[in-house]
Amino acid sequence: GNSVTQMEGPVTLSEEAFLTINCTYTATGYPSLFWYVQYPGEGLQLLLKATKADDKGSNKGFEATYRKETTSFHLEKGSVQVSDSAVYFCALIQNSGNTPLVFGKGTRLSVIA
Amino acid sequence: ETGVTQTPRHLVMGMTNKKSLKCEQHLGHNAMYWYKQSAKKPLELMFVYSLEERVENNSVPSRFSPECPNSSHLFLHLHTLQPEDSALYLCASSQDPGRADQPQHFGDGTRLSIL
Repeated sequence: GNSVTQMEGPVTLSEEAFLTINCTYTATGYPSLFWYVQYPGEGLQLLLKATKADDKGSNKGFEATYRKETTSFHLEKGSVQVSDSAVYFCALIQNSGNTPLVFGKGTRLSVIA
Repeated sequence: ETGVTQTPRHLVMGMTNKKSLKCEQHLGHNAMYWYKQSAKKPLELMFVYSLEERVENNSVPSRFSPECPNSSHLFLHLHTLQPEDSALYLCASSQDPGRADQPQHFGDGTRLSIL
């Protein structure tokens, strides 16, 4: 079946540090990949997505590249801010068939000033 | 403004109570979802509705009963819950279910505590 594995958190960084949150996936076929973010007290928001191999999703300074050869979709940001403190979820969905999103367990990021 | 509104935001209930969670979407979407988010566990998809018909039920106990009277509203009726049901319940919607090019839009959730 389909699954998503994220690095265990929590991750604590100082402001302006470089961020990487690892995500690998297992899927039959060719899924689309997503990063969602959940700020404290809120629901999930789509951060970025990539629908095919070598695509790069980007938003708000975050980037992730769909790597088919390593089945990975690592999230990166060059300089984090305190306002980036949140829980980040990697997710996938099959491009064919009526299947739901599959989420990773989430990685909590805390950025300190 | 997320376009998906959940009420109440917080709910405390005893194990013998009956209550309902409400979700409303203003995005013109055809699909709606209930998720359960517990500490240290992955998001669990509970139910999926498409055009008011249930298309997925992921082995959820019968003490959770969904209702979708129209494409804009989704309810989760709760009765005789257990302490392990305490969690954040998230509602989401999308244009159609299972479409990779259509992201799901989430509400802010209802924090449920079972005494």
